[in-house]
Amino acid sequence: GAVVSQHPSWVICKSGTSVKIECRSLDFQATTMFWYRQFPKQSLMLMATSNEGSKATYEQGVEKDKFLINHASLTLSTLTVTSAHPEDSSFYICSARRGGGYNEQFFGPGTRLTVL
Amino acid sequence: SQQGEEDPQALSIQEGENATMNCSYKTSINNLQWYRQNSGRGLVHLILIRSNEREKHSGRLRVTLDTSKKSSSLLITASRAADTASYFCATDAIGANSKLTFGKGITLSVRP
Repeated sequence: GAVVSQHPSWVICKSGTSVKIECRSLDFQATTMFWYRQFPKQSLMLMATSNEGSKATYEQGVEKDKFLINHASLTLSTLTVTSAHPEDSSFYICSARRGGGYNEQFFGPGTRLTVL
Repeated sequence: SQQGEEDPQALSIQEGENATMNCSYKTSINNLQWYRQNSGRGLVHLILIRSNEREKHSGRLRVTLDTSKKSSSLLITASRAADTASYFCATDAIGANSKLTFGKGITLSVRP
């Protein structure tokens, strides 16, 4: 159990376009989902925390107008990179945390975004 | 900001040997978690140890936690080539609303 999927697994887009990444918890309800960004050979940096039905909480330095997060249901959160630029190229990973006192976060397989 | 700091940064061992990785952190925690990441893939949750626990086992994994020293270790026994990956510790700090803070990671190479 505790499977988290991400779609797409990779995407290449032109500069100026917007890209939407989906994160789904497949077999449990996620009260909280997290979005991370990872540069090559580096650690994960938390971008934002989203709770179902409420606005996402962004980490310092993350532009909320650029990285739009929607946590529409207990099993789905989306990250939209708006007006993407080459510097937005990165590996984006989501995670989902179950409710009911469980603390483990279960991670999706990640999405590789390349902006040309 | 990164709280967990792992050492060594890179570790290369022979298959069958044990691998020990350490993690230090700075603030009080609810729990500490270890994850594995294969190149270009997502993270796989390995084990969670709560602040009131000192040791935990899962298969070939053994995790210890010393809250007085603010440190944890991950031991992989009888390593296999398939254990080659990056390993991260992540802390769930008190007052952080379950946000995890990751260390920089340790690159483990297991030579067949």
